[in-house]
Amino acid sequence: DAKTTQPPSMDCAEGRAANLPCNHSTISGNEYVYWYRQIHSQGPQYIIHGLKNNETNEMASLIITEDRKSSTLILPHATLRDTAVYYCIVRVASYGQNFVFGPGTRLSVLP
Amino acid sequence: DVKVTQSSRYLVKRTGEKVFLECVQDMDHENMFWYRQDPGLGLRLIYFSYDVKMKEKGDIPEGYSVSREKKERFSLILESASTNQTSMYLCASSSFWGPSASSYNEQFFGPGTRLTVL
Repeated sequence: DAKTTQPPSMDCAEGRAANLPCNHSTISGNEYVYWYRQIHSQGPQYIIHGLKNNETNEMASLIITEDRKSSTLILPHATLRDTAVYYCIVRVASYGQNFVFGPGTRLSVLP
Repeated sequence: DVKVTQSSRYLVKRTGEKVFLECVQDMDHENMFWYRQDPGLGLRLIYFSYDVKMKEKGDIPEGYSVSREKKERFSLILESASTNQTSMYLCASSSFWGPSASSYNEQFFGPGTRLTVL
């Protein structure tokens, strides 16, 4: 599975969009990009995933560059409850679905 | 509401003790996973299971074993606990991967068990 690089921490003002970047320059054609987040003292929570096209759901949007070497998770109107560690994971879609969670990005939403 | 529950939120054990961590899911999921989480290292997969009585080693299985006698329950066993097994342990479950490449079955995580081995 391709490795990912994320900034260790970011701040965002409440009500503004939070844009979390992820680099995955060695991604291969059959690997998906997944995002999870972990709020303090809880287990990780799935946010969104994509292969090539941009994706949007009720939680976030995922923008994947055309060469697929990087992506951005967008929380359109960040709230204090979005303060968490965000994990970008790249892997093939396959049986078992075990994931490798790296250190992630610690997002702090500030009032 | 879907649920993955873990037997304890906090556990303190002594070196050499046998430790059982229990995980139960109520979603009829085929796949279950045990991870440990340590500062700066993210989550690391210990073992996973695709079905009852089936198990597969993850990235760091040494010092651990698992048991899956019923579909809803997946146990992590530390045969002889050591101080380097002090960690947060997270259980997760997901439904079986379908044939479509565009489908995805998210992992649902439990709240975690913070184990301290003295």
